[in-house]
Amino acid sequence: GAVVSQHPSWVICKSGTSVKIECRSLDFQATTMFWYRQFPKQSLMLMATSNEGSKATYEQGVEKDKFLINHASLTLSTLTVTSAHPEDSSFYICSAKTTSGTSETQYFGPGTRLLVL
Amino acid sequence: GQNIDQPTEMTATEGAIVQINCTYQTSGFNGLFWYQQHAGEAPTFLSYNVLDGLEEKGRFSSFLSRSKGYSYLLLKELQMKDSASYLCAVMDSNYQLIWGAGTKLIIKP
Repeated sequence: GAVVSQHPSWVICKSGTSVKIECRSLDFQATTMFWYRQFPKQSLMLMATSNEGSKATYEQGVEKDKFLINHASLTLSTLTVTSAHPEDSSFYICSAKTTSGTSETQYFGPGTRLLVL
Repeated sequence: GQNIDQPTEMTATEGAIVQINCTYQTSGFNGLFWYQQHAGEAPTFLSYNVLDGLEEKGRFSSFLSRSKGYSYLLLKELQMKDSASYLCAVMDSNYQLIWGAGTKLIIKP
């Protein structure tokens, strides 16, 4: 089946640094990728929707200047957490959507754990 | 390799009971999650099981057998709004989520 990968799996950084997380669709082209944030035992919170070649659409309350999203190709989207602070520590999950005819399928990545010290 | 299996699609009748199965083979186990996802929306957390047994939460229950690599989500008194995709995900030894492809549940009147 389709696979979505994320890199890195884990990242520990100092407060004030920027962290880039990559999301790749490995065997399909994704016109749309989504970035989520997950808190323990809670629902995935959609942060932004990323369409290839255009600006990302951010959900209300998500700072676009802090969470920079670049969807440079049909297989790669990146999330950069700029000037990370301890409150940004979380589990970030991406997903990629593919369309076949009239049906759409969304595949989820394994997640990236970010710990900001 | 790591693998999560769940049926692609199921159909049930309003008011009935449906069981969605999930089997997994992963490197290590740190819990199994069930999520509900309506079309165009983010997945909503339903349950988390890390110990064997049944956990009941209202109309929804989730069961886990670690020795069998098996879980199910039981939905009772089905309502039309329960029509959605149900995702099974296992957290492996590296605390990474391994996702099933999801089960599309269709509820008929």
